[in-house]
Amino acid sequence: AQSVAQPEDQVNVAEGNPLTVKCTYSVSGNPYLFWYVQYPNRGLQFLLKYITGDNLVKGSYGFEAEFNKSQTSFHLKKPSALVSDSALYFCAVRRYNTDKLIFGTGTRLQVFP
Amino acid sequence: EPEVTQTPSHQVTQMGQEVILRCVPISNHLYFYWYRQILGQKVEFLVSFYNNEISEKSEIFDDQFSVERPDGSNFTLKIRSTKLEDSAMYFCASSERLGTEAFFGQGTRLTVV
Repeated sequence: AQSVAQPEDQVNVAEGNPLTVKCTYSVSGNPYLFWYVQYPNRGLQFLLKYITGDNLVKGSYGFEAEFNKSQTSFHLKKPSALVSDSALYFCAVRRYNTDKLIFGTGTRLQVFP
Repeated sequence: EPEVTQTPSHQVTQMGQEVILRCVPISNHLYFYWYRQILGQKVEFLVSFYNNEISEKSEIFDDQFSVERPDGSNFTLKIRSTKLEDSAMYFCASSERLGTEAFFGQGTRLTVV
C-alpha cells in the first residue's frame, strides 16, 4: 500500500533562516513525488515534483526538495524563509502506473519575523 | 496562467438532497480528478477520469457518487443523496497526461445540514 508520512504537524522558523519540512513515503516501484502548498481558503498549489533524474529538484518560490531513495524521503527545503511562506504544506506520492495522489497529513509552516 | 476553476465556492445543502459540484479543468489537460478534504484531515482521492470514463476510484466513491464530462469543458461531481459526513472541501484537479503534476482548483466547500 502507498503511504506518505509528514512527522511534524508544525514547523516554526525565523525569517531568513533555512527551513526543512520532512516527508517519507512508502510505495512499490518507482515513486512520483510532489509537494503542494495550501494558503488559507485557497486550493492546493503545485510547488515541485520528482519523477526521475537528479535527486535535487527545484521548484517555485525558491523551494527545493531532495529525493533520497535509501531513506525513502523527499524533504522540502528553502535556504532563507520568508514570512509569506507561512502556509500548509503537503507531500504526495503517486505510483508510476496509477492516477491517484496519496497525500500526507500536512505540515503547517510558521515563519516568524 | 491557465487554472482550474470550481463553482460554487460554498454550497449548503440539506441531508438527502442531490448536489452537483462543477469544475472547468485546464483546456489541454486530459486527466481529471476529484479529491476531498474533511476539515482538519488529509486530502483524499475520490476518482480519476480519462477518455470519458472512470480510470480509478477509491472506496469512498460509492454508488452515491458519479462524475460526468457533459461537454468539452466542464467536469462535474454529483452526490445523489447527501449525508452529514459528506461535508468537506471538494477539490477538482487536472493534469496534462499520466504522471505529470495535477493542478487543483480553489475548492468547493460543501456543508450538509
